[in-house]
Amino acid sequence: NAGVMQNPRHLVRRRGQEARLRCSPMKGHSHVYWYRQLPEEGLKFMVYLQKENIIDESGMPKERFSAEFPKEGPSILRIQQVVRGDSAAYFCASSPIIGTGNTEAFFGQGTRLTVV
Amino acid sequence: AQSVAQPEDQVNVAEGNPLTVKCTYSVSGNPYLFWYVQYPNRGLQFLLKYITGDNLVKGSYGFEAEFNKSQTSFHLKKPSALVSDSALYFCAVRDYSSSNTGKLIFGQGTTLQVKP
Repeated sequence: NAGVMQNPRHLVRRRGQEARLRCSPMKGHSHVYWYRQLPEEGLKFMVYLQKENIIDESGMPKERFSAEFPKEGPSILRIQQVVRGDSAAYFCASSPIIGTGNTEAFFGQGTRLTVV
Repeated sequence: AQSVAQPEDQVNVAEGNPLTVKCTYSVSGNPYLFWYVQYPNRGLQFLLKYITGDNLVKGSYGFEAEFNKSQTSFHLKKPSALVSDSALYFCAVRDYSSSNTGKLIFGQGTTLQVKP
């Protein structure tokens, strides 16, 4: 059973370009979370999605950032017109169910975005 | 607001000695607490969780954590540290402040350095 798969592992973009980060959850998991880890900081929640639905995007910057989790295929975190401050590690996590609170999330290895 | 604090940026211990990584939390209801470990350039690996029941929780790689409700703490412990335990450790609490999404609030992380 493969874990949470993220790609690419490393991504370099010039200022103004678009970054697309992909996350395939664990088999059987229908809940996906995206977190951002800035240098020397902990992880900050960005967005929570279920298939074809954004459930909670309270941690997403208001502009340039978007996320989707289509019926088929991976979840995508998209950053338009990247700036140097977007340089960070972006982690995806998945879980099978929520609601009871006792289910841990499983994390991918992250995508390290560098904006030059 | 719900929060997690890890008061130590770094903990240094000698191999074979016991280790403690501290975590305190603030939540409005019953806390669901987690510890994750991050090795360099890797994703987060789940170590253990407290949901309910015994205050002493045992997890992976010989780690355990003690839930203390009166002190609102969930310190991570190991009786005998290994050099391979050197990594970044995150404490997290499930956030139910706004909606039942299961997202996590992370502490800022504690770097554990185990010296031979």
